[in-house]
Amino acid sequence: EIVLTQSPATLSLSPGERASLSCRASQSVSSYLAWYQQKPGQTPRLLIYDASNRATGIPARFSGSGSGTDFTLTISNLEPEDFAVYYCQHGSNRLTFGGGTKVEIK
Amino acid sequence: QVQLVESGGGVVQPGGSLRLSCAASGFTFSPYGMHWVRQAPGKGLEWVAVIGHDGTYKYDADSVRGRFTISRDNSKNTLYLQMDSLRPEDTAVYYCARDLGRGRYCDYWGQGTLVTVSS
Repeated sequence: EIVLTQSPATLSLSPGERASLSCRASQSVSSYLAWYQQKPGQTPRLLIYDASNRATGIPARFSGSGSGTDFTLTISNLEPEDFAVYYCQHGSNRLTFGGGTKVEIK
Repeated sequence: QVQLVESGGGVVQPGGSLRLSCAASGFTFSPYGMHWVRQAPGKGLEWVAVIGHDGTYKYDADSVRGRFTISRDNSKNTLYLQMDSLRPEDTAVYYCARDLGRGRYCDYWGQGTLVTVSS
């Protein structure tokens, strides 16, 4: 069973700063990794799939990189609406989610 | 526009049963695989089960195997989750989600329905 470990648990940043979120897999997942955003009281939203492909309607400030076991979600210029919890996820019929990183306002 | 609307949640005693439904609209339901994902209060996301577009393949999480059954009715554009032998640790918001393709990711999610297992 693949385990996804996200770090840090909490990231405190100011609007306009750059955010880098990490997701590490316990074994190689090739490029089969996605990122989701979830705001309080809202449903998750797919941001990135296949490690680096932006989903429909996702702004260009969101980018994903990595392959194998190490992945990064970068938010280049934090907007007020970007403060949320972010989850990475691997899928191969069965899905696995990481524990999440909360991006909070500093 | 894609809409997924869950229903059927509520309060149930340990050992009880519930059936969740997810009504799909705004897209052609039959070609898509569908997932159930849950989220316990204040916790992260946990995948529950997936069903292929025609129901011929199904996978589920170890935590629900033998107790939960995923199914679908393409004539009604509806996804189901039959939950039996419920436990307090099954308390969560249950989301249905559309599969992006190849059983790997969820591209659209419903708003969720809350299931509370408590005596």
